[in-house]
Amino acid sequence: DSGVTQTPKHLITATGQRVTLRCSPRSGDLSVYWYQQSLDQGLQFLIQYYNGEERAKGNILERFSAQQFPDLHSELNLSSLELGDSALYFCASSVDEVPDEQYFGPGTRLTVT
Amino acid sequence: AQSVTQPDIHITVSEGASLELRCNYSYGATPYLFWYVQSPGQGLQLLLKYFSGDTLVQGIKGFEAEFKRSQSSFNLRKPSVHWSDAAEYFCAVGARYSSASKIIFGSGTRLSIRP
Repeated sequence: DSGVTQTPKHLITATGQRVTLRCSPRSGDLSVYWYQQSLDQGLQFLIQYYNGEERAKGNILERFSAQQFPDLHSELNLSSLELGDSALYFCASSVDEVPDEQYFGPGTRLTVT
Repeated sequence: AQSVTQPDIHITVSEGASLELRCNYSYGATPYLFWYVQSPGQGLQLLLKYFSGDTLVQGIKGFEAEFKRSQSSFNLRKPSVHWSDAAEYFCAVGARYSSASKIIFGSGTRLSIRP
């Protein structure tokens, strides 16, 4: 158990819908990272937050957004969903903002039908 | 731009045999390098990391990796694999740009163990 929690574990929704994925980092970790893992794209970095502020952006679509709240939990919002958004979404956390050891959550499997 | 290449998509080794998983990176300065393992249906777990210092790093579960700057490589090794080592292995490179940082993952190598 990494100490990072993600909810929900599975999500099935229809095209055009909007969903919110939630992540709670390990106690004491200030950075939260979001990744998308799909068979054709591999593990793609989406975005990083550190202590409530956006720190780095990867291949995140404009339809996707994220935020980190004062209690350090983070949410990833995916809107206008397409079939291609079906993937595993991982959250990871680390103590600091530098690319140090990251602890991964179990992931949320999103299926768009 | 930083990048990571794992040239082997799938490797099968016999239980008890030695293992080497290849990783090549591209980065202009000294990178931060990582190896992660992902078991089926699980998140990623850090095996080991290299930031600086001794180029041979030891990790968990009996794994080690060697940083070779001249070859831009960070290969993962284990002298004797166990059936429980069957998983997907990811090499990753980290970089620090001003106030932003991110880690780039390779495409992964799936390891199967032959009984």
